[in-house]
Amino acid sequence: DTAVSQTPKYLVTQMGNDKSIKCEQNLGHDTMYWYKQDSKKFLKIMFSYNNKELIINETVPNRFSPKSPDKAHLNLHINSLELGDSAVYFCASSQDGLAGPGFFGPGTRLTVL
Amino acid sequence: QKEVEQNSGPLSVPEGAIASLNCTYSDRGSQSFFWYRQYSGKSPELIMFIYSNGDKEDGRFTAQLNKASQYVSLLIRDSQPSDSATYLCAVIRPRYNNDMRFGAGTRLTVKP
Repeated sequence: DTAVSQTPKYLVTQMGNDKSIKCEQNLGHDTMYWYKQDSKKFLKIMFSYNNKELIINETVPNRFSPKSPDKAHLNLHINSLELGDSAVYFCASSQDGLAGPGFFGPGTRLTVL
Repeated sequence: QKEVEQNSGPLSVPEGAIASLNCTYSDRGSQSFFWYRQYSGKSPELIMFIYSNGDKEDGRFTAQLNKASQYVSLLIRDSQPSDSATYLCAVIRPRYNNDMRFGAGTRLTVKP
């Protein structure tokens, strides 16, 4: 059973398009995250949700909008995609915010052309 | 100063040797410290976490924390080629809604 799953695994799209990435965890964890890993492999937090409530919202363009319909899901919608959005996006979860992300999803490699 | 700093490497050690990975952090209020391993093209995996000063051992891995020096390290004993990966240090900062900051990672190569 996959603990944290993401779809799609790869996403290739044109500049200006809108796209979504879905994430689901079956661990019963309360906290979920979105991280962005750029070409230099630097991993940076974007958002953190605890029980569907937004906890952390880093300095991310408002073109990025997370949505958590329930505590097992945290989706990421991106409007008006730009070249600089190309990266690998990881979803992750943890039992609580103090524990840090214990489980990462497989990642979604987004390429904006 | 970066919030979490690591030597980017690459760090190369022979098989069977001890690999020592170091990390410093800037926020004295940081409470929890983590080491992740990331193989190329894969997602990070949590290896160890440490909250208190001193050493914490788990199999071939030992995490060491010195809060006074704002320093955390990871020792890998009897290094194996399968340990070759990028190791990410991360800290949780309670003053910032418990957000987690990652270092840029140290690439480790274990040569047979």
